[in-house]
Amino acid sequence: SAVISQKPSRDICQRGTSLTIQCQVDSQVTMMFWYRQQPGQSLTLIATANQGSEATYESGFVIDKFPISRPNLTFSTLTVSNLSPEDSSIYLCSVQGHLGQPQHFGDGTRLSIL
Amino acid sequence: EDQVTQSPEALRLQEGESSSLNCSYTVSGLRGLFWYRQDPGKGPEFLFTLYSAGEEKEKERLKATLTKKESFLHITAPKPEDSATYLCAVQARSGGSNYKLTFGKGTLLTVNP
Repeated sequence: SAVISQKPSRDICQRGTSLTIQCQVDSQVTMMFWYRQQPGQSLTLIATANQGSEATYESGFVIDKFPISRPNLTFSTLTVSNLSPEDSSIYLCSVQGHLGQPQHFGDGTRLSIL
Repeated sequence: EDQVTQSPEALRLQEGESSSLNCSYTVSGLRGLFWYRQDPGKGPEFLFTLYSAGEEKEKERLKATLTKKESFLHITAPKPEDSATYLCAVQARSGGSNYKLTFGKGTLLTVNP
């Protein structure tokens, strides 16, 4: 399966600032996704990162708060904007080939807000 | 709305003591049910995909089964290295994103030596 690298692995940020998370895959993949894992909660899909077009957001997530880029088939970024304590979470990138195939995940970015 | 419920939330076993984890789901047409293992500080690691009721998959001490309403992850003679959080997720055939995985909250398994 693809090797997925996320940067940074963790960060501590001030309220009101933004953090951009990078996801790099070692091979071209069809689909890339961003998930959030809050303490005690299940992984929740934020959006599908579409190559060359705007991301597709799930209900409850908006582009102004979570802008996403995907310039090619191996790279995507997620920005978490205007940070508040409620944004403290783990953010994970995942990739998938075709429908029915499993998604594979990076090790996540652990974000804490002061 | 697709839903996944895992039980128990936590399970503590002695080494060699077999048991099962449960994943109950409601989905508008199942495309696939996925089991993952997650270690502390790591992302979920894929274990199995099940596509239809009656299907079974096995890997070392783990065996996953699927019915129309639930899946079980059977752990036979577990070892301390099997300690992890086990996550279940479903992918639906229709509605919204075809690729969306809906996850349960997971079962934290601890195997004591």
